[in-house]
Parts: sequence; structure tokens; C-alpha cells
Amino acid sequence: GAGVSQSPRYKVAKRGQDVALRCDPISGHVSLFWYQQALGQGPEFLTYFQNEAQLDKSGLPSDRFFAERPEGSVSTLKIQRTQQEDSAVYLCASSLAEMNTEAFFGQGTRLTVV
Amino acid sequence: AQTVTQSQPEMSVQEAETVTLSCTYDTSESDYYLFWYKQPPSRQMILVIRQEAYKQQNATENRFSVNFQKAAKSFSLKISDSQLGDAAMYFCAYRSAQGGSEKLVFGKGTKLTVNP
Repeated sequence: GAGVSQSPRYKVAKRGQDVALRCDPISGHVSLFWYQQALGQGPEFLTYFQNEAQLDKSGLPSDRFFAERPEGSVSTLKIQRTQQEDSAVYLCASSLAEMNTEAFFGQGTRLTVV
Repeated sequence: AQTVTQSQPEMSVQEAETVTLSCTYDTSESDYYLFWYKQPPSRQMILVIRQEAYKQQNATENRFSVNFQKAAKSFSLKISDSQLGDAAMYFCAYRSAQGGSEKLVFGKGTKLTVNP
């Protein structure tokens, strides 16, 4: 596709439920990032992939959060046993490998845990 | 760790006027990138302008320009001839130039309202 695609756009989960959020990056983009954006805040880094390798997961808030990118393209962010504080917009971004390149963002998934 | 501070939660400007959004950051690194992103209600972050720290010349993109003061660690965004479509959240962001550290560090954002 022409841009970064995320699905679903909206997700409502009951507390304790597991969720999976999908990111389809721009074709050919090596780098992929996940960010969490709480209401009224700026995005905060969660994790980073270069191809299928997860090079940085320092931002994942707990072991309930897990991300994968098995074939170096599509990525899934999984949250187990969701809690109310997980409610946020989850943004995915992708970029080419070179440092001096722009990161392109998707429209995010708004997760609401009730 | 790097931090980015946007001290103006909200700003407003009259259509066709000029507005400046403030951003300061803290880092011990000498080489890095700075960005301004726009986030409309659709939630998609759109790159407005970027600045490489090693460049002394301030970046300009049409009606958007920055005032980069490296010693003061300040990176403000000036929007000239404001248009209704400029209304959005604006985020200042920092990225290290060191390999393996490509993540963006964002400020909390400034909500810009453009009045007709």
C-alpha cells in the first residue's frame, strides 16, 4: 500500500482480555517502530525492529506486552490480560534503514479497556 | 536519557498571522536530529520539518521555519500566514544520530487553534 496501515482502527477490550494490533509498514521499509500515546500526551516509544530482529524493546511497560515481526514486514503488538491503564492509541511507524530518513506513521489503533 | 519539553499546552492564532511554538530539549549528545510533527484529529503523525544538529542553517519548508539554538537547546517552530488547515496538535521530537538508537522522543505537544 501507499502508507503504513494499522488495524483495527478501534478496539474495545474487556479487562483481562488479550488483544492483537496489526501494523503493515510501507513496502521495503526495514525499520518498524511501535509507540503508545496516552490521552493528551505525546507518543512514547515501545519497541523497534530492523527487519525481523527486535533491536530495542526497552519501552515495553510490562511482560504483558509482546511484539513480533516474523518475516520482516507485518508486525503484531500483543497485549495480554489487558488493564485499564493500557487504554491508549498505539501508533506504528516505518522507515528505510538509513539514519537520515523520515519515519512514516500509521493512523493508529485506539484501544479502550473497559 | 533525552527529554523534550513543550511548555505551551495550547496556542491560538488568527488566520493569516504568524505563530511560534516553543520546544526545548535536554541531551548530552552532540549529533542528533530534531523534528516537528503535526497530528490532526485523524491521529496520523505528519512530518512538518526537521533539522540536523550539525547544520547551523535553520530549516525552512514553505510557511514553516525553525529557530534552532543548539547552545540553548531550543528548537521553536514558526508558522507564517497561518491557515485553517494548520489547526492540529504539534509535537516536537528528538532522535539520536548514534546507530541503533532510531527511536523518537516526543514532547507532550501543543494544541494549535486557528481562528478565522
